[in-house]
Amino acid sequence: TQLLEQSPQFLSIQEGENLTVYCNSSSVFSSLQWYRQEPGEGPVLLVTVVTGGEVKKLKRLTFQFGDARKDSSLHITAAQPGDTGLYLCAGVDYKLSFGAGTTVTVRA
Amino acid sequence: EAGVVQSPRYKIIEKKQPVAFWCNPISGHNTLYWYRQNLGQGPELLIRYENEEAVDDSQLPKDRFSAERLKGVDSTLKIQPAELGDSAVYLCASSLGASGATDTQYFGPGTRLTVL
Repeated sequence: TQLLEQSPQFLSIQEGENLTVYCNSSSVFSSLQWYRQEPGEGPVLLVTVVTGGEVKKLKRLTFQFGDARKDSSLHITAAQPGDTGLYLCAGVDYKLSFGAGTTVTVRA
Repeated sequence: EAGVVQSPRYKIIEKKQPVAFWCNPISGHNTLYWYRQNLGQGPELLIRYENEEAVDDSQLPKDRFSAERLKGVDSTLKIQPAELGDSAVYLCASSLGASGATDTQYFGPGTRLTVL
């Protein structure tokens, strides 16, 4: 049972477009992490957000943590084919609880 | 520096057969995790080791799954007997173990199991 709901499930865009994916939970977590997973590989940590209302930027990726620490979003500006992958959010308490992920495809 | 190593990468077996997966964590990482990732889902924790001690195995189906980390380094996850529903990717991860759940976890590439 996934405690975190991610939307959309699939997203396909053209290179250069922007995209946003969402992660929502009914529970409050001490922090939330975003991962990217490529086919045949394990998830790789992108960022950890801790404080309600926090915004973190990683090059073209912007991560927001909701004020109530129950939701988060990932925005990618000017997407590139190399951004293609499965984006997973995970709530952190005594363990990681992952959402089902959003599969992002960026077409050249 | 080598990452988390898992073998085999792929395994196809008949139902009711046994299967084992091996994981070697990043050198110096005290905490080791086994996850199962079903198709279209995120990883779910099966078991967590702190050195050689299993500190969280609440999600491990103990009737058919077992795991060991005898010397606190590499680990083996076993399924006996396998069922059709066990088809999934089995991921191993490791972390330093200094900060508990907030430690950064580094994942291996996983073993894709297909049970026929």
